[in-house]
Order: sequence, then structure tokens, then C-alpha cells
Amino acid sequence: DGGITQSPKYLFRKEGQNVTLSCEQNLNHDAMYWYRQDPGQGLRLIYYSQIVNDFQKGDIAEGYSVSREKKESFPLTVTSAQKNPTAFYLCASTPGGIIRNTGELFFGEGSRLTVL
Amino acid sequence: AQSVAQPEDQVNVAEGNPLTVKCTYSVSGNPYLFWYVQYPNRGLQFLLKYITGDNLVKGSYGFEAEFNKSQTSFHLKKPSALVSDSALYFCAVRDPTKATGTASKLTFGTGTRLQVTL
Repeated sequence: DGGITQSPKYLFRKEGQNVTLSCEQNLNHDAMYWYRQDPGQGLRLIYYSQIVNDFQKGDIAEGYSVSREKKESFPLTVTSAQKNPTAFYLCASTPGGIIRNTGELFFGEGSRLTVL
Repeated sequence: AQSVAQPEDQVNVAEGNPLTVKCTYSVSGNPYLFWYVQYPNRGLQFLLKYITGDNLVKGSYGFEAEFNKSQTSFHLKKPSALVSDSALYFCAVRDPTKATGTASKLTFGTGTRLQVTL
């Protein structure tokens, strides 16, 4: 079945450690996104990528980094510079092109990061 | 800048009664509007969207939403609530006039928790 796979689902790390969250999709979508979810704050965009080897900062990119070496994969690294990394992280994708893309995001199941 | 407001943190309704979850938006052009549902520790699932055309949009699981341009609203409705509808609901907006290439930069509301009781 086509979809978006995020791993791990739960992750615990010590303060000061970098963490990488995996996101893989087999929907053949061109664009991929990372959102952060905090209680009472909704979803906030961290980074997005429209094509391979290209990505743009979202609204809260500080303390995060991404790469897009393959169309299927868009990993997110939460660095030690991120002041408040404990959150639920959601990866999403959309088809490419203005005609195909009416804006609907397809989401993975999320990764919950807890920094101790 | 585009924005979305969900004025209610929580909506409580008895099973079998109609439900409404409110959403208002602000964009400079004609909006693309979306509703998503989230169950605990899960990703968001798409319910429905308004792009153009009929103001009443029907979606998954018996949900529908009405686009009202004059009131800049896009309220989610269901004629008869089920206990299994209990979840977190998000409204989202995209301004298609924004130059974001082929990316779909949605702005989400803060979410409304729907609690349906027997």
C-alpha cells in the first residue's frame, strides 16, 4: 500500500544530543514537509522540499536541519540548538505540479520525541 | 499573511445530535480550505476540502462543511454524531495566490477537541 512511513514512533534522548527522524514515502510525491505539533498550538511548518536537493525553511526552522537526496526520503535532524525539542513531529507529502496539487497533505503517523 | 482561527478548544455533543466545529480564516485571495481529523498519537487524516464551486462540501465519514465567503467561515458539520467521532479536528487554509511553487504551505488552526458522549 502507498503511504508515508515515519520512524521511530517514540524516541527518547538526552539534552544536547542530535536526533534524526526518518520519513519515507512511496506515493511518488514531489513535495515533502515537516510539521511540529505542540498541545494547544496546532501544527507549525519546520521545513519543506519541492524537489530533490532543494528545501526551504518554514516558520520555525531554527534548531532543525533536513536533506532531500532522494525523492522518497526527507529526514529531519533535531539539533542540540533547538531550545524546546520535545514535541510530536509529523511528515507529509503532496503531488507535484500546479494541476495535480490542490493542496491536500498526506500525513505519516508521526514521531514523538521526548528529551530528558 | 494567511491565518485560521478555531475559537473553541473543545466541543461536547451527545451521540445522535448534530455537531458543528467552527473555523474562520483570513487570506488575501480566494482560499483553499481543509478539514483534518487526528486520533490520539496518530497522524492527520484528510476529511474534506473546498477549492471552488458549491459552497457545501461533503467529505469522509458523513462530515460536511459550508464555505461562507461573507463571514470568512468554513464550519465542519455532521447531522448525527457518533462516539467514534471523538477526536481532534484541524481546519487549515492555503492562499493559492502565494508564490510557493508547487508546494502546499497550509496554515493550521490550533485544533478543536470533539467529545461525543452516550
